[in-house]
Amino acid sequence: GIQVEQSPPDLILQEGANSTLRCNFSDSVNNLQWFHQNPWGQLINLFYIPSGTKQNGRLSATTVATERYSLLYISSSQTTDSGVYFCAVGRDDKIIFGKGTRLHILP
Amino acid sequence: KAGVTQTPRYLIKTRGQQVTLSCSPISGHRSVSWYQQTPGQGLQFLFEYFSETQRNKGNFPGRFSGRQFSNSRSEMNVSTLELGDSALYLCASSLVLVHEQFFGPGTRLTVL
Repeated sequence: GIQVEQSPPDLILQEGANSTLRCNFSDSVNNLQWFHQNPWGQLINLFYIPSGTKQNGRLSATTVATERYSLLYISSSQTTDSGVYFCAVGRDDKIIFGKGTRLHILP
Repeated sequence: KAGVTQTPRYLIKTRGQQVTLSCSPISGHRSVSWYQQTPGQGLQFLFEYFSETQRNKGNFPGRFSGRQFSNSRSEMNVSTLELGDSALYLCASSLVLVHEQFFGPGTRLTVL
């Protein structure tokens, strides 16, 4: 089956810094989502991005489906950005999650 | 539009008991998926329902079961609880199978 790898596994940054999170997948996919899991466990939709680039405030995402990767950019980080970021890909009636990137933003 | 709701939010059970968790999807969504999240194993897919039929199943023992009703609400049941079943159980809804998913707040189950 498809493998989904996220990097880095952990990231510690100072407030105000920028970051790039990566999601690689081993085969073609029909869709891709990015989620943020807050400290209370809630998974919040960030982007539904099978291909191309989208922006929402300080966050943006780019998926290059032909090269099997997606990037999530966070600019001017805030402490509320802390948590785990998951990427999930969909193909053949299945959605597969990566193991996530744990982001710590220090005040 | 109301989001995905899950009840109860917290649950404490003892080994050997059974538990039923409920999930109400976003209005109009016909697909409901269930996931188990533990610190050691990450997010693991349990099963997915669409139009009252189980369409997909993860690699979990038969103690884990589910169903979906005609209004798209879903329940999952875990029988003969084990300590290792302690986890956050997340439900997600989508319009159709393998599409953009929206998650509920989760049910945190503790098995003593």
